Amino acid sequence: EVQLVESGGDLVQPGGSLRLSCVDSRFTFSSYGMNWVRQAPGKGLEWVSYISSSSSTTYYADSVKGRFTISRDNAKNSLYLQMNSLRAEDTAVYYCARRYCSTGCYDDSWGQGTLVTVSS
Amino acid sequence: DIQMTQSPSSLSASVGDRVAITCRASQSISSYLNWYQQKPGKAPKLLIYTASSLQSGVPSRFSGSGSGTDFTLTISSLQPEDFATYYCQQSYSTPWTFGQGTKVEIK
Repeated sequence: EVQLVESGGDLVQPGGSLRLSCVDSRFTFSSYGMNWVRQAPGKGLEWVSYISSSSSTTYYADSVKGRFTISRDNAKNSLYLQMNSLRAEDTAVYYCARRYCSTGCYDDSWGQGTLVTVSS
Repeated sequence: DIQMTQSPSSLSASVGDRVAITCRASQSISSYLNWYQQKPGKAPKLLIYTASSLQSGVPSRFSGSGSGTDFTLTISSLQPEDFATYYCQQSYSTPWTFGQGTKVEIK
């Protein structure tokens, strides 16, 4: 069974930085693309960023482009999200999710989430 | 960006009811539409992928239909554990946008 575990969420001041991590050791991590999805308190889901299995392709939502960087280390079965120039509107629970593609693509396994709070 | 609009935003229903949630895309997305269920304080869970394929382990009372711009998630007989918020998401093109969610509450 796939199990993803996020960490790194914290309280940070506006303009600050934070690095989130997501680890899984129960599947062939290196074979799958991965997403970060966030959810602001009481709000809906927002896709944030994607990275392909080999790191050759990355995508970002316009709301984070230029401030966030997604990366991965397949040797460590780990996914990362480096978040810089944080704003109050980045406050959210951040989920990592495995992107599975067959006839279409979908997020079939999710971590439990890690809370990022941006506030002074 | 492709906009996803769900209706209704919330609904009240009783155990045993048949429930339908619709999702409309602002442009054609073929069948690249997924449905997720989320309970309070929990991560989303994949229910349906590519419009009508049931994810492994998901009860058969859940079904999905549609293509192009209009899609429907149907719960044939609502169970107590189905009270949750449901989201559609298009996987046709980035950004992979979600609908705003439909909260299913107990009547």
